[in-house]
Amino acid sequence: GAVVSQHPSWVICKSGTSVKIECRSLDFQATTMFWYRQFPKQSLMLMATSNEGSKATYEQGVEKDKFLINHASLTLSTLTVTSAHPEDSSFYICSARDPWGPQYFGAGTRLSVL
Amino acid sequence: AQKITQTQPGMFVQEKEAVTLDCTYDTSDPSYGLFWYKQPSSGEMIFLIYQGSYDQQNATEGRYSLNFQKARKSANLVISASQLGDSAMYFCAMRPLQGAQKLVFGQGTRLTINP
Repeated sequence: GAVVSQHPSWVICKSGTSVKIECRSLDFQATTMFWYRQFPKQSLMLMATSNEGSKATYEQGVEKDKFLINHASLTLSTLTVTSAHPEDSSFYICSARDPWGPQYFGAGTRLSVL
Repeated sequence: AQKITQTQPGMFVQEKEAVTLDCTYDTSDPSYGLFWYKQPSSGEMIFLIYQGSYDQQNATEGRYSLNFQKARKSANLVISASQLGDSAMYFCAMRPLQGAQKLVFGQGTRLTINP
C-alpha cells in the first residue's frame, strides 16, 4: 500500500482562490518532505524542501509567498497555492524520505485553475 | 552540482523482451544514492530500485536490475521479460547521502511495450 498519501488528487478552482494540498507519510516519521511540480511531458522540478518545525527551503525562482508550505508535524506537510492563476495549473507531487529507505511519492494532485 | 542524463526520450520493445534504459550522472559528492522510478499515466511515482554508490553489487528487485558502473558514472535500468503493464515513463534520480539530500531527476524515458 501507499506509504505517502496526497490529497486531493484533482482540484479545479477559480482564478484568485487558494488551494491547499496535503501530504501525509503513513508508515514513518518524515522530518523532511519535498514538493515537486511537473508540467506535461516533462520531468519533476523540485519546488521546495519542507522541514518539520521550521521554515521551508525554496528553490531558486519559486515564489515563497505564492506557494506556502507548512510542516507542522512529523507526518503532515501542506502546500497552499495562494491566489491561484491559470499559469499555476500543473501536477504537484509531494515526497517523503524514509530515513532508512528510499524517497516515496504521493499520487500527485492535478490542479486546474479556471 | 548534480546532473542526471537520460538520452532516450522513447523506447519501444516487444512484450517479453528485455529492455535497458540508460542513465548517466555527474556529481562531486563522495557518496550518493541512485534511484529509478516508474510513472504510469495516472501520475503516481512508483519506486522501483535503489543503488548506493558504496554498494559492491548491482541491485536487483524482481524483474528489475540496476547495471551500476561507477567509473563510467552510469546506472542503467534493466527490465527482464517485459510486460504490457511496464509501459510508462521511467525516471532516473540521484541524491547525495550527506548534506541537503535533494533528489534530482533525469528527463525521463517513455517506454512502450508492444504486444
